[in-house]
Amino acid sequence: NAGVMQNPRHLVRRRGQEARLRCSPMKGHSHVYWYRQLPEEGLKFMVYLQKENIIDESGMPKERFSAEFPKEGPSILRIQQVVRGDSAAYFCASSPPGREHQPQHFGDGTRLSIL
Amino acid sequence: AQSVSQHNHHVILSEAASLELGCNYSYGGTVNLFWYVQYPGQHLQLLLKYFSGDPLVKGIKGFEAEFIKSKFSFNLRKPSVQWSDTAEYFCAVNAEGGGNKLTFGTGTQLKVEL
Repeated sequence: NAGVMQNPRHLVRRRGQEARLRCSPMKGHSHVYWYRQLPEEGLKFMVYLQKENIIDESGMPKERFSAEFPKEGPSILRIQQVVRGDSAAYFCASSPPGREHQPQHFGDGTRLSIL
Repeated sequence: AQSVSQHNHHVILSEAASLELGCNYSYGGTVNLFWYVQYPGQHLQLLLKYFSGDPLVKGIKGFEAEFIKSKFSFNLRKPSVQWSDTAEYFCAVNAEGGGNKLTFGTGTQLKVEL
């Protein structure tokens, strides 16, 4: 199954540590999106990337959060100096190149827990 | 900025009952509309989408949705639900010219009882 792969599925960090979440898009997809789902809320857009470019980061918190999608390898969502409020499910989605508004395919998510 | 409202947070139905889940969005321009489903322990899967054309959209597993532009609505329907339809359902929107980011509703948890 060549779906969107996210790892790890579960990640536990202590306050102040760094969290790295990885996402490999579906084969042939060059657009990657990250969303965050807080308890009892819907998914919130964070960032949209294409290879080596950040296209839209309007949903990213201004501090501690960064994302990249290098030429080779998976997309990485990095959270520095984590706090309790970062506990959430983080979902990655991908879509193929071409015209805008292709449907996005989602991964299983990474559940981040901050102790 | 666009927003999406799903008014039913929890719905419980018996098998064979009909389903309608509400979705309203707020955005003045052209939108693309989606329904995603998340079965327990699984990732979000696309049920159906509307880009243009016939406002009545057929999706997988017997689901359909109707886009009513005048009401800013995109309600999801199924004539007869099954126990296996127990899942969380999310309505999502993206705006033409607004990039490809999706704006999601808060979801509706559907439980189908035998």
